[in-house]
Amino acid sequence: QSALTQPPSVSGSPGQSITISCTGSSSDISSYNRVSWYQQSPGTAPKLIIYEVTNRPSGIPGRFSGSKSGNTASLTISGLQPEDEADYYCSSYTRNDKYVFGSGTTVTVL
Amino acid sequence: QVQLVESGGGLVRPGGSLRLSCAASGFIFSDYFMIWIRRAPGKGLEFVSYIDGVNSYIKYEDSVKGRCTISRDNAKKSLYLQMDRLRVEDTAVYYCARSTYLGGPLDHWGQGTLVTVSS
Repeated sequence: QSALTQPPSVSGSPGQSITISCTGSSSDISSYNRVSWYQQSPGTAPKLIIYEVTNRPSGIPGRFSGSKSGNTASLTISGLQPEDEADYYCSSYTRNDKYVFGSGTTVTVL
Repeated sequence: QVQLVESGGGLVRPGGSLRLSCAASGFIFSDYFMIWIRRAPGKGLEFVSYIDGVNSYIKYEDSVKGRCTISRDNAKKSLYLQMDRLRVEDTAVYYCARSTYLGGPLDHWGQGTLVTVSS
């Protein structure tokens, strides 16, 4: 199973909105709504920020939102904050009963 | 509160073995799927293996199948990953995480344990 495709980096100024894409295939993203997004800051464990495509766990700010169209999922950060600087990974359940992760995107706040 | 604490990482020669452990607390361990994920240096996250709550359903990523064995002891609230015939490319931080259902979100992760395979 190949990794889901994400842009290596995305940047924006504080207050701006950015969107990270995550492209998969008919074997994963387009077949299931079990798409999640994780945020990982250096030296820390990944943190769940979006689950089942659009849902935010308790405690995750409303500026994080998710969506999906066909075989591409997207994470949008509206009103970028300095503390949002981190690596972001998408993940999907797959037809062969496994998880697949994205290649990762580094978000830089200018 | 929910805690997952990995241990057992270290430096090992190619072809060697390691047993990783993940100690869980703060939740009903047997109610959850448990998953191992790794992150190699300079690379992204990679699924390694998962096990259901009653040791009956297990999956491995192709890259570790036949070399790794996942198991759990619900009485001890612990998850394990026996890693044999280790390769240089297995070098990574290994995380354990939990999910409430198959393919579900990984809502809690441990801090990870570093495995270095080098001669």
